[in-house]
Amino acid sequence: GDSVTQMEGPVTLSEEAFLTINCTYTATGYPSLFWYVQYPGEGLQLLLKATKADDKGSNKGFEATYRKETTSFHLEKGSVQVSDSAVYFCALYDGGYNKLIFGAGTRLAVHP
Amino acid sequence: GAGVSQTPSNKVTEKGKYVELRCDPISGHTALYWYRQSLGQGPEFLIYFQGTGAADDSGLPNDRFFAVRPEGSVSTLKIQRTERGDSAVYLCASSREGIQNTEAFFGQGTRLTVV
Repeated sequence: GDSVTQMEGPVTLSEEAFLTINCTYTATGYPSLFWYVQYPGEGLQLLLKATKADDKGSNKGFEATYRKETTSFHLEKGSVQVSDSAVYFCALYDGGYNKLIFGAGTRLAVHP
Repeated sequence: GAGVSQTPSNKVTEKGKYVELRCDPISGHTALYWYRQSLGQGPEFLIYFQGTGAADDSGLPNDRFFAVRPEGSVSTLKIQRTERGDSAVYLCASSREGIQNTEAFFGQGTRLTVV
């Protein structure tokens, strides 16, 4: 079945460092891909999405490009801030199943 | 309300007891989802409602779990004869249509602890 694999955390960075969180997926169809973020004490929030190959999703300085050839959707940010500390979840949506399938999450800790 | 509301925020129950978890979706959202998130894991799909009907309940782990949405708005997740392994955060999400076309909004979850 469909699945999402993302790099294990925690990822610990200093402020202004470059961030990459890897995400790869397995799907039988052509899914839409998402990154969700969970800040401490808050619910899951959509960060960005891409619905077809080569699309780039972006929001709040974060970017991810839908790479069909490598079945990947890696999350990047050029300069992280302390306020970016959170758990990040990669997810796919396969319309045939009407549900989001999530990775295990990657905890990011950014220090001043 | 402004967002998806879940009650209670925390629930502690004894093994073998029955519990109900409530989800109030955003007004006008026809799609509603329940997920379960165990410690250190991503959310796992339980059930999807489109309107009043359960369009996909393939994620319910066994027949102790049941969910309803009788008027197409509020949903209740019901767990019978709770077990310690049911301890997790139960998340509810709603979207205006399906997730393909519109964003899914998540509640803050109900943390269920079975002792």
